[in-house]
Amino acid sequence: GQQVMQIPQYQHVQEGEDFTTYCNSSTTLSNIQWYKQRPGGHPVFLIQLVKSGEVKKQKRLTFQFGEAKKNSSLHITATQTTDVGTYFCAGQRATGGSYIPTFGRGTSLIVHP
Amino acid sequence: DVKVTQSSRYLVKRTGEKVFLECVQDMDHENMFWYRQDPGLGLRLIYFSYDVKMKEKGDIPEGYSVSREKKERFSLILESASTNQTSMYLCASSLPQGWKAFFGQGTRLTVV
Repeated sequence: GQQVMQIPQYQHVQEGEDFTTYCNSSTTLSNIQWYKQRPGGHPVFLIQLVKSGEVKKQKRLTFQFGEAKKNSSLHITATQTTDVGTYFCAGQRATGGSYIPTFGRGTSLIVHP
Repeated sequence: DVKVTQSSRYLVKRTGEKVFLECVQDMDHENMFWYRQDPGLGLRLIYFSYDVKMKEKGDIPEGYSVSREKKERFSLILESASTNQTSMYLCASSLPQGWKAFFGQGTRLTVV
């Protein structure tokens, strides 16, 4: 079945440094989603990318979808302590009339003040 | 605001017990999912449902079953709980067109 690999598993940064997490799929994706899970919380949707080569920005967060629609990245510029959490990518696969998200293992971001 | 509600935040059960985890959503979503989350393994799909009384196995269905008698409610059943089913269980719902999933707060299940 579809597999979504995400690296790194953990990333420690000093506040103000940049952070990037990468996501790779074994198959072409219909779209990709990114979620953030704060410590003790549940995953919360951040964004969805649909088009090949798409780039979207949310303040200090930049999301990219690869040309082949098999990889994606999330880049955070100048991290803050509020960015702490685990970031998941989820590749969508079509099953019948529905889309089913397959999650990567997540990257836990630890920001040191 | 949209809401996915799981019946328990914490649950402790004995080995061999039948366990029911309940999930209710108020968004009239067709799709509902059950995931389990373990450290280092991310979210793994147990079962999903795309309509009332319809269900499909996910990546790790062994030891679990599900029930969806009403559109808003999706239940996960552990027929005979085992210690390796100790985990965080997350329910989610979404529209069928591949839009974002909304998650419940999670149920941390401990099987002793």
